[in-house]
Amino acid sequence: DAGVIQSPRHEVTEMGQEVTLRCKPISGHNSLFWYRQTMMRGLELLIYFNNNVPIDDSGMPEDRFSAKMPNASFSTLKIQPSEPRDSAVYFCASSLWGADAEAFFGQGTRLTVV
Amino acid sequence: GIQVEQSPPDLILQEGANSTLRCNFSDSVNNLQWFHQNPWGQLINLFYIPSGTKQNGRLSATTVATERYSLLYISSSQTTDSGVYFCPSGAGSYQLTFGKGTKLSVIP
Repeated sequence: DAGVIQSPRHEVTEMGQEVTLRCKPISGHNSLFWYRQTMMRGLELLIYFNNNVPIDDSGMPEDRFSAKMPNASFSTLKIQPSEPRDSAVYFCASSLWGADAEAFFGQGTRLTVV
Repeated sequence: GIQVEQSPPDLILQEGANSTLRCNFSDSVNNLQWFHQNPWGQLINLFYIPSGTKQNGRLSATTVATERYSLLYISSSQTTDSGVYFCPSGAGSYQLTFGKGTKLSVIP
């Protein structure tokens, strides 16, 4: 398997623009996680899906952030409108079942909002 | 949620030296992983180790779940071991909670 695939790897956008990050989990995995990494806050969970259903989005910073998982092989994280403080590395991870299983991370998307 | 405390926060080693990294948890854990984040930012799986001991080459890990800690041993360190080491875990929940990590620098 190619592992968790994220795109784009880098994104530079202007404040106010819409940003869409994409993730393809490992085939067969039924849990998907979006994390954000910043110097100030470290790695923090934004949202978690199980069997394509959002289970907990309490980590999503505000209404400007939304995530979808239309099928088992694809998820998006959208920021609209983007702000400079959203600049971070966004990681997607997947695991075989729930939390009691090994999670694998994608290479991340480095987002810069200017 | 669970709190993850990692020590030491920073570590500088001469190439060839051995080291031990430690994670303490505020609650019992039922899933625990060790990751290496390399200088390019990739999170590389080292071990999935909710309990017991595992070894992989120069690396080994031990988790004592009843005492809420885990150790990562690195022997004969190499410059490619440089980066940040994380030991996220969950306590009965799906969420992998990350600590601040241990930043390791191996110098030639």
